[in-house]
Amino acid sequence: AQSVTQLDSHVSVSEGTPVLLRCNYSSSYSPSLFWYVQHPNKGLQLLLKYTSAATLVKGINGFEAEFKKSETSFHLTKPSAHMSDAAEYFCAARSSNTGKLIFGQGTTLQVKP
Amino acid sequence: NAGVTQTPKFQVLKTGQSMTLQCAQDMNHEYMSWYRQDPGMGLRLIHYSVGAGITDQGEVPNGYNVSRSTTEDFPLRLLSAAPSQTSVYFCASKYRDYNEQFFGPGTRLTVL
Repeated sequence: AQSVTQLDSHVSVSEGTPVLLRCNYSSSYSPSLFWYVQHPNKGLQLLLKYTSAATLVKGINGFEAEFKKSETSFHLTKPSAHMSDAAEYFCAARSSNTGKLIFGQGTTLQVKP
Repeated sequence: NAGVTQTPKFQVLKTGQSMTLQCAQDMNHEYMSWYRQDPGMGLRLIHYSVGAGITDQGEVPNGYNVSRSTTEDFPLRLLSAAPSQTSVYFCASKYRDYNEQFFGPGTRLTVL
């Protein structure tokens, strides 16, 4: 069965330092991959998506993610964290055979001043 | 466009009560889904629909019913609420064959 694993439940960085949120997926097929952000008491907002085009995907708010098939990873990065980046982040994969979206457990990003 | 809207935003129920969580979208999306979000478990799919009159079960369907009589609306019904259904519920929609899902703001449900 397809699964998505976010390797860290909580990440804390200082403002201005790089952000790395890790995501691994397991799938027999090449999935479509997504990163969503959820600010407190808000719905999910799409940050970026990979759909078998360029392996380095640029999203909103300066975030990027690189699809590495050999490592089955889709880690989210940002060169310099901002206080407004503090939120929960979800990695998700869409199975190409079922069409369903499978979410990881979520990573809470804390940004310290 | 209003996008995906959900009502109510907050709800408290007693065990055994029934209620319906409303979801509507004005983007003419064929696909609609209901998820529940619980701490440390991400979002889990409850039920989904690929078009009016068509629904199917997701990962955690027990205790929930859905119907899709129109393209715009996809209500989620709890027939007899249980404390285990305390959660945040998100409705989402997307175009058929498009990858991006649009999420509603969520309904925070507490069952006492």
